[in-house]
Amino acid sequence: NAGVTQTPKFQVLKTGQSMTLQCAQDMNHEYMSWYRQDPGMGLRLIHYSVGAGITDQGEVPNGYNVSRSTTEDFPLRLLSAAPSQTSVYFCASSPRNQPQHFGDGTRLSIL
Amino acid sequence: QQPVQSPQAVILREGEDAVINCSSSKALYSVHWYRQKHGEAPVFLMILLKGGEQKGHEKISASFNEKKQQSSLYLTASQLSYSGTYFCGTGGAEAGGTSYGKLTFGQGTILTVHP
Repeated sequence: NAGVTQTPKFQVLKTGQSMTLQCAQDMNHEYMSWYRQDPGMGLRLIHYSVGAGITDQGEVPNGYNVSRSTTEDFPLRLLSAAPSQTSVYFCASSPRNQPQHFGDGTRLSIL
Repeated sequence: QQPVQSPQAVILREGEDAVINCSSSKALYSVHWYRQKHGEAPVFLMILLKGGEQKGHEKISASFNEKKQQSSLYLTASQLSYSGTYFCGTGGAEAGGTSYGKLTFGQGTILTVHP
């Protein structure tokens, strides 16, 4: 049982490049979320999904897109990377009304 | 709006007790507590639900005062393994409270336990 798997673990991008952070879970969880974590800021919600085909914005959605075509996958797309998007990104999943399980994170640097 | 945690940091000796507080300016349905070790993912500790239910996990317990929109995490007889950053995540009182995937986290409290 792999849990929540995030890839890549580390990534360096140049300003203006685009990329997709992958998140997959094998627990058949309905809810999936993306957070970013910056020093002193805690975790901030970017986008979340309550099921396949259903997504909604969180606290800091600008510059990011998501889609949920299957229950298992919830990729996060950076459209045009900016230095302000340098952060650690965590994906989390949970069954309905249960606590979230977090992936190991993707450390992203944008130069 | 982000809940406010206090204190921002606390240093303990093994065996000492600590309390971490989490306050929100909006009505809460649930409070979720997580611990994160440096370089690792947050790990779930416990959930407190509306109704003031108190939940425990080994020597860690918590309370939820919905009137004050506040939760407290109690660490008793701390161990070295308790070191890390503690986050509270709050779920609002909307849509029947089923907002588990949409948590708003506090800024964290850094707990350091020394031998």
